[in-house]
Parts: sequence; C-alpha cells; structure tokens
Amino acid sequence: TQLLEQSPQFLSIQEGENLTVYCNSSSVFSSLQWYRQEPGEGPVLLVTVVTGGEVKKLKRLTFQFGDARKDSSLHITAAQPGDTGLYLCAGEEQGSTLGRLYFGRGTQLTVWP
Amino acid sequence: SQTIHQWPATLVQPVGSPLSLECTVEGTSNPNLYWYRQAAGRGLQLLFYSVGIGQISSEVPQNLSASRPQDRQFILSSKKLLLSDSGFYLCAWSVGGTYGYTFGSGTRLTVV
Repeated sequence: TQLLEQSPQFLSIQEGENLTVYCNSSSVFSSLQWYRQEPGEGPVLLVTVVTGGEVKKLKRLTFQFGDARKDSSLHITAAQPGDTGLYLCAGEEQGSTLGRLYFGRGTQLTVWP
Repeated sequence: SQTIHQWPATLVQPVGSPLSLECTVEGTSNPNLYWYRQAAGRGLQLLFYSVGIGQISSEVPQNLSASRPQDRQFILSSKKLLLSDSGFYLCAWSVGGTYGYTFGSGTRLTVV
C-alpha cells in the first residue's frame, strides 16, 4: 500500500493555465516536502512544510500543509513550459527517528507553449 | 557546501554479472544515506538506508545488497544481476527527514 497518494498522476496543460496537485494520506506527518524531477536527473527539493496549515510561496508555486498534517497541495499559477517535470511529495512520518521519507508516486506535469 | 557524487551515470550489464554502484558525500559528517530505485520515471522505492558506518537496513528482499565502509560512502552491489534489476538508481543523503534529501544524479542500469 502507498502511504502517500498523489493526484492526478498526469497533467497536460497549456502555458498560462493554473493547476493544483494533491498529496493525501491517512497518516500524520511531522514534515512534508515537495520535489521536482527532470528526466535523467535526481529529484530536487522545492520546499519543506512542518506546521499544520502552513502556506509557503516560491515565486508562482504555492505549497500548503493541511491542518491535520495528513495532506498537502501544490498550486502553480500561470504555468510555464519550464515547470514541466515530475512532482513528488514526500513525508516524514510522525515519531520517526530515522529521517526516513515516504514518497508518493508523483505527478507528471507537461506544460505546452 | 555539501555535494553528492554518484557513478556511473549509465551502465549496461549482462544478466548474471556483478554490480557495484558507488555514492559519496562531501561537506557533511554522519549523514543518513539512502538507495532508491525508480521505475519508468515514477515513484521512488526505498531499497536500503544507513544511519552510520556498517549499519544497513533493507526495505525489500531482493537480489541487491548495500554496504557503508566509510562515513560518507555508500555502495550498492549485486553478485548476479537479473533482468528485473534494470532501473534508475538514486543515492541520497540527509541529516534528518525534516531537512529534506539531497539526491545524486542517478545511475541508469540496463540489464541485458
């Protein structure tokens, strides 16, 4: 079973559109992170959220951590072709002492010019 | 600054041959180290993790093994590769889950 469920799995949109990617779980996380991965490369950390209800902004990207710390969302405003990539959410389960992260299966985003 | 090196970038190996992938970290001490496998550009499957020299935890039974002979060196090995071992292998380090992982650039392994 997958601890973190991401939706949608695939997203294909035109440049300028807005989009939201979701990451859900029945487990509580002490922190949750979002990564972006390009083909043939390792994932790169975008943001970490640690407080329930926390909202962080990174230029056109807005990340939110659910109040109960079980879910998160990534919203992109006015998407650009450079946003294309695989977006992965990852969570550190509450009480973990090993620093182990559980990853979702990812959302493949394609932004067409 | 901290960096992570992973090599080789690509590898084509025949079935039954041995495997050794190496990962080294610079600029930090006593990192947590991880080996992941990724199939077809999708989610990451944790294979092994290590919190210290000689300490290896395996997540799934398989044809692979890992070793940590030095604080900042993590090695993924196999004595005899299977076709099913093909995939994209990623090494990562962290000082704690909250701080995120830093990934290497990956090794694309094709077993033929």
